Amino acid sequence: QVQVQESGPGLVKPSQTLSLTCTVSGGSINSDGFYWTWIRQNPGKGLEWMGHTYYSGNTFYNPSLKTRLAISVDTSNNRFSLKLNSVTAADTAVYYCARVSRHFYFGLDVWGQGTTVTVSS
Amino acid sequence: EIVLTQSPGTLSLSPGERANLSCRASQNVGSQFLAWYQQRPGQAPRLLIYGATNRASGFSDRFSAGGSGTDFTLTIDRLEPEDFAVYFCQQYGGSPPLSFGGGTKVEIK
Repeated sequence: QVQVQESGPGLVKPSQTLSLTCTVSGGSINSDGFYWTWIRQNPGKGLEWMGHTYYSGNTFYNPSLKTRLAISVDTSNNRFSLKLNSVTAADTAVYYCARVSRHFYFGLDVWGQGTTVTVSS
Repeated sequence: EIVLTQSPGTLSLSPGERANLSCRASQNVGSQFLAWYQQRPGQAPRLLIYGATNRASGFSDRFSAGGSGTDFTLTIDRLEPEDFAVYFCQQYGGSPPLSFGGGTKVEIK
């Protein structure tokens, strides 16, 4: 059974870069039919799709974040990563990595437990 | 840009009652590409419905969903205590490629 797990610092200073990694276990990130995605949830708010990547490296970004966001894939280590630069307090959120599955009509069928990132000096 | 609007924002019901949740899209959504999620407090969302009508494994048949085009619904029959949660709809294929509705909280009355 495929699982994903987020890792990274829980505290980032304003104007700095937020970096998170998602490690995939129980299956290969190279598998066809899946996108690997980052979702965030501001405290008490809804879900925001940030972007996703295919194992080939093709990426898609939320236009609202595109200028600050980079998502990359590391197939040799079965993981993918997020870098969000110039962060502000508005980027404080729970960050989830997840799998988008073509089999489930592009629903997100595997989620990490989420990692809380606070932007504060 | 496809915007998903969920209503109501909060639904206050008693166990045993039926919950009717709505997800309305600002533009047509491919009916196959509409999903629903359940999120309990402190947990990650969990895929509940995919392809607008298909129930994911592990969920009771008390959950059903339908709709097409711009109007989609999620119905929960005979609410159980574990059903009280927040429910999100999600579309794929529009612009942006993936987006979520704002959520409906189903709370105990």
